[in-house]
Amino acid sequence: DAGVTQTPRHEVAEKGQTIILKCEPVSGHNDLFWYRQTKIQGLELLSYFRSKSLMEDGGAFKDRFKAEMLNSSFSTLKIQPTEPKDSAVYLCASSQDREVFFGKGTRLTVV
Amino acid sequence: GDSVTQTEGQVALSEEDFLTIHCNYSASGYPTLFWYVQYPGEGPQLLFRASRDKEKGSSRGFEATYDKGTTSFHLRKASVQESDSAVYYCALSDSGGSNAKLTFGKGTKLSVKS
Repeated sequence: DAGVTQTPRHEVAEKGQTIILKCEPVSGHNDLFWYRQTKIQGLELLSYFRSKSLMEDGGAFKDRFKAEMLNSSFSTLKIQPTEPKDSAVYLCASSQDREVFFGKGTRLTVV
Repeated sequence: GDSVTQTEGQVALSEEDFLTIHCNYSASGYPTLFWYVQYPGEGPQLLFRASRDKEKGSSRGFEATYDKGTTSFHLRKASVQESDSAVYYCALSDSGGSNAKLTFGKGTKLSVKS
């Protein structure tokens, strides 16, 4: 059974660009999460979907961050426009019975 | 809101040392508690969880006991190995509601030298 797949693994963007990160959850999982990971803040929740419906949208991230679930097997996270402070690892995760499985993440560098 | 506090940001040990990483939580209701481990280049992966007071979770020699009285879930291992070097996260989720999201502590980086 495939785990959570995230693409790309690495992304370099110039300040002001729009970038789109992609995620394929584990087949059959109803819950999908996007987290941002930094050394200072640790893991911060960006968005949470249940059965494709947005359940929670991290307040601090609403401004330039938009997550969508186009169907039950694909999600995107758009950052528009990017800023250098957005440099971080972005993790997608899916869940079944409260066991959360993470992808390997996308490392974003904004220059 | 819910929160998780990990006291140690970094821990450096030698092989066969005893490990303790402290985790305290604050939550309304009766949360499920988790320990996750993250190796370089990987996402966090579940080590184990516990859902009831006094329940012990364990895996790969690591263990933690749910203590509702002290709101703690401290991670312990009797004898660490170099391969245990990783970042460890304590987390909780609201087991009573429909919300499955995890609230994480800030993580503890464990470095074990041989």
